[in-house]
This record gives sequence, C-alpha cells and structure tokens, in this order.
Amino acid sequence: DIQMTQSPSSVSASVGDRVTITCRASQGINSWLAWYQQKPGKAPQLLIYAASSLQRGVPSRFSGSGSGTDFTLTISSLQPEDFATYYCQQSKSFPYTFGQGTKLDIK
Amino acid sequence: QVQLVESGGGVVQPGRSLRLSCAVSGFTFSSYSIHWVRQAPGKGLEWVAVISYDGSDKHYADSVKGRFTISRDNSKNTLYLEVNSLRDEDTAMYYCARVRSAHSYGSDFDYWGQGTLVTVSS
Repeated sequence: DIQMTQSPSSVSASVGDRVTITCRASQGINSWLAWYQQKPGKAPQLLIYAASSLQRGVPSRFSGSGSGTDFTLTISSLQPEDFATYYCQQSKSFPYTFGQGTKLDIK
Repeated sequence: QVQLVESGGGVVQPGRSLRLSCAVSGFTFSSYSIHWVRQAPGKGLEWVAVISYDGSDKHYADSVKGRFTISRDNSKNTLYLEVNSLRDEDTAMYYCARVRSAHSYGSDFDYWGQGTLVTVSS
C-alpha cells in the first residue's frame, strides 16, 4: 500500500498569513493526488485534484503543486473560513489512501 | 443538484451486520463509480471500497475485505454497503462519495454525502 504522510500535523496561523502543507507519498504517484478540506461535523470538500488543478468553485487563494512523491498545498492569504483540517489522498493504486490530516487553527 | 444521502447506520453489537445505503439524485448514477470512505470519531479519513459505474468491478481496503460487500442498483439510483462481522474498530461515520470523472474509477471525490454513523458496541 502507498503511505501518505502529511506535515505538519497541526499549524497555527493568523488571518492573512500564507500557509503551506506538505504531503509525501511512500512511492511515486505521478500527479494522482487530491487535497480536501474538512470542517467539524461536515463531509470533506475537494479543493485540488491532479496535484495542481483547482476544483470548480474553490477560491484561487488555494493552490497545489508537486509530482512523484512530494506535494504541497498552499493557502496564499488565510481567511477565517479556512480554519479546518486538510487531507491529501492518492489515487495511483488501490487501496486509495489519505494522509493523516493537518489541522489548521487560529493563532 | 447533486445529492448523496446515506442511511442505515446505528448501534450494533460486535459480530452483527448492517446494510448501509446511499441514495443519489441530480446526476446519471449509472455513469459514475462511487466510493465508501469512513472516519472513526476524532480520526482521519479511511478509504473503504469502490464499485465501478456498471457494477462490474469492486475493490476493498484490506481492513474490510471478506467482511464488507459493496453493491449498487442502477435502477434505484442506490449504492449499498453490506457490513458483516462488525468489530469495535469499524465504529465510524461512513460517507459515500462520487468520483469527479464519469466512466472511470475516478481519482478524487467531488460530491459527498453527509454520512451515516455506525457504532459497534456491546
């Protein structure tokens, strides 16, 4: 199975800050990577697919990059509604696997 | 609009069974593969299973293989997950999720249901 490791596990930041979350795959996954945002009590929402493609309706302050084993999610200027938990997910092969999550909270 | 609505969760004793359902609307169900993803309380997301858009192919996580069965009825626009031999570690919110691309297993999930909670407890 492909293991997905996110860092950091948690991060504190302020409105307006730039935040970067990384995700590393245990083996190469090309660009078969997605990022999700999840708020408490809600289902996850797709932010980025194919490593760097912005899902329709997602604000442009979110961006993704990387290929192979190393990926990043960047939020260019944090807004109050961005405080949530973020997950990466690989779809290179079954079983699909998620990172352990990164909790982003207010400093 | 696209909707996925899960049902069938509840409190069940270890070793017993449940059938979870995911009723969909707002898109051509028979064109999309659907996945189940679960989340234990306070924990991260775990992929569980997928069924292809035509029901011809299925894949499972090792943790549920042999105990869970995914199926679909395209005439009823409904997805199912038969969960058998339940264990404490199966306690979780179970989400069904639609893939973004039709006629493929899909690489990511653009629509999710609100989830149905399964609690395994004696």
